[in-house]
Amino acid sequence: QVQLQESGPGLVKPSETLSLTCTVSGGSISSYYWSWIRQPPGKGLEWIGYIYYSGSTNYNPSLKSRVTISVDTSKNQFSLKLSSVTAADTAVYYCARVSCSGGSCYTMIAYYFDYWGQGTLVTVSS
Amino acid sequence: QSVLTQPPSASGTPGQRVTISCSGSSSNIGSNYVYWYQQLPGTAPKLLIYRNNQRPSGVPDRFSGSKSGTSASLAISGLRSEDEADYYCAAWDDSLSGSVVFGGGTKLTVL
Repeated sequence: QVQLQESGPGLVKPSETLSLTCTVSGGSISSYYWSWIRQPPGKGLEWIGYIYYSGSTNYNPSLKSRVTISVDTSKNQFSLKLSSVTAADTAVYYCARVSCSGGSCYTMIAYYFDYWGQGTLVTVSS
Repeated sequence: QSVLTQPPSASGTPGQRVTISCSGSSSNIGSNYVYWYQQLPGTAPKLLIYRNNQRPSGVPDRFSGSKSGTSASLAISGLRSEDEADYYCAAWDDSLSGSVVFGGGTKLTVL
């Protein structure tokens, strides 16, 4: 059973960079896409971006200028960096596997988030 | 303001059938698959429906999804107390560089 676990500081100061790591266990990070999704307290879900195990990425246009997602296949981990944070970036951050089954897997529209981490709350405050 | 529009709340009594709607546009629901996620209180979201109407293994057939044009629906029949959760629809959006967009979520209360 694939498991994902987020780790990183729970408190980040305004204007600094938020850094989180997701460790994948119970399966290889290879041959899959991996994603970050966040949820402000009491609000809905927002997709941040995804990375393929080979390193190719795609980001939410609203966050693209501040986001970097990277992967370390040797450690079975992928990471998120979000720069110049403000209080609006306070949220529970989830990592998730992006997967597909059956036919149509040649297009991203057939992919979905099938395994999620438990989430980690990151608060932006001085 | 979410790209996909869902009612903020829905409710039903045990055994009842409830539906949750999700409205989008031609660049997301109109041309791509719809996905539904269930988020029980204090937990991470869980995939409930994929590719409009497919259920992952382990999801009861009480849950069903449908899509028509630029709208989609999640139906829950034989409502149970453990169905009380937040439900989110999602889709890929062609106009946003291939991004994933979510609905604002619907809180389902079992009365």
